[in-house]
Amino acid sequence: KNQVEQSPQSLIILEGKNCTLQCNYTVSPFSNLRWYKQDTGRGPVSLTIMTFSENTKSNGRYTATLDADTKQSSLHITASQLSDSASYICVVTASGGSYIPTFGRGTSLIVHP
Amino acid sequence: DSGVTQTPKHLITATGQRVTLRCSPRSGDLSVYWYQQSLDQGLQFLIQYYNGEERAKGNILERFSAQQFPDLHSELNLSSLELGDSALYFCASSVGVITYEQYFGPGTRLTVT
Repeated sequence: KNQVEQSPQSLIILEGKNCTLQCNYTVSPFSNLRWYKQDTGRGPVSLTIMTFSENTKSNGRYTATLDADTKQSSLHITASQLSDSASYICVVTASGGSYIPTFGRGTSLIVHP
Repeated sequence: DSGVTQTPKHLITATGQRVTLRCSPRSGDLSVYWYQQSLDQGLQFLIQYYNGEERAKGNILERFSAQQFPDLHSELNLSSLELGDSALYFCASSVGVITYEQYFGPGTRLTVT
């Protein structure tokens, strides 16, 4: 069964600090991995999309890495801001006919001043 | 603002009833996706349409159906509603399929009483 596990479940950091969120998956065959940011009650916003051949991708202060061999990804946030407080969701899509995405439960990040 | 519109924003209805959720994709996007987000299940992929045709089907119940019309807007029909169907329903759109960025709408909050 395809699964996506994210850790930690929640994280509290001080403004200006860096943090790293983890995503482990068992989805196979692999098509792509996405990270989304979701503010409470709003639709997710795409941060990065990575295919099998990509092992790192940046979007401003967000940098995602992918290790397709170990089936792990991380999202690193640099110099956190109060506006980074949100849920971060990892989504892995399987290939092979129908491209079905599997969602992680997300990491809830709170940035304190 | 992602450019994806969803109506209505809120919907309160009783068990056993039928409702229709509407989504208008971003201008130029051919692909529409429907997702359900509940507290206990997280985000789940329901179904995808591309240029009017069903492209991929996820965990969509038989009581639920969707379609994409020639003008590319989409509707999600939910029937014989149960308390457990209470959730946020998101629509997303993208230019193409697979690795294209998806833009999410603001969602429709459905409450079944």
